[in-house]
Amino acid sequence: QVQLVQSGSEVKRPGASVRVACKVSGNSVSDLSLQWVRQAPGKGLEWMGGFDPEDYEKIYAQKFLGRMTMTEDESTDTAYMQLSSLRSEDTAVYFCTTGPVYGDLNWLDPWGQGTLVIVSS
Amino acid sequence: DIVMTQSPLSLPVTPGEPASISCRSSQSLVHNNGYNLLNWYLQKPGQSPQLLIFLASNRASGVPDRFSGSGSGSDFTLKISRVEAEDVGVYFCMQVLQTPFTFGPGTKVDIK
Repeated sequence: QVQLVQSGSEVKRPGASVRVACKVSGNSVSDLSLQWVRQAPGKGLEWMGGFDPEDYEKIYAQKFLGRMTMTEDESTDTAYMQLSSLRSEDTAVYFCTTGPVYGDLNWLDPWGQGTLVIVSS
Repeated sequence: DIVMTQSPLSLPVTPGEPASISCRSSQSLVHNNGYNLLNWYLQKPGQSPQLLIFLASNRASGVPDRFSGSGSGSDFTLKISRVEAEDVGVYFCMQVLQTPFTFGPGTKVDIK
């Protein structure tokens, strides 16, 4: 059974970058179609990007293009999401989640516990 | 982008009574494979979203059978046959037909 455990909270200055880690257990990170979703305080859920198993490529939401990078370390089964040029509006809880192992991206489950990123001067 | 809407946005419920949440999409969520790519999640306070219903009408593993999903195309419903106190939280629908994947605004369910 896949489990996702994320890195701890971060506080960053505007203009800085943040890297959030998502440690995979129960499968290899390369077997998963990992996705990143964020939730600003008191707000709804926003998909940021993820791996598309149909086209075998990473896809980024338009608003994060050029600012977000998703990477994986297969030696440690850890996925990373880096977001640069941070601004106050990026303050949010960031979640990693995944589609079914080896399957189409028909649902997202499970989810990591979330990582709070605070952007403040 | 596919826009997801939900109603109501707030739903006070009485334990033991039924509850229903509607989710509509700005375009059909039927995939070429015939499945409706619409999922339901419950986010309890301070927790990550948990999958309740996938492909519009399939209960996820471990989800009580008082939860059911129905609908097709662009009109979907989540029903709770008899609400329990542990069901409080925010319910989201989410489409995975096309990127960007999008979520409904959420329906906050709490006890009257």
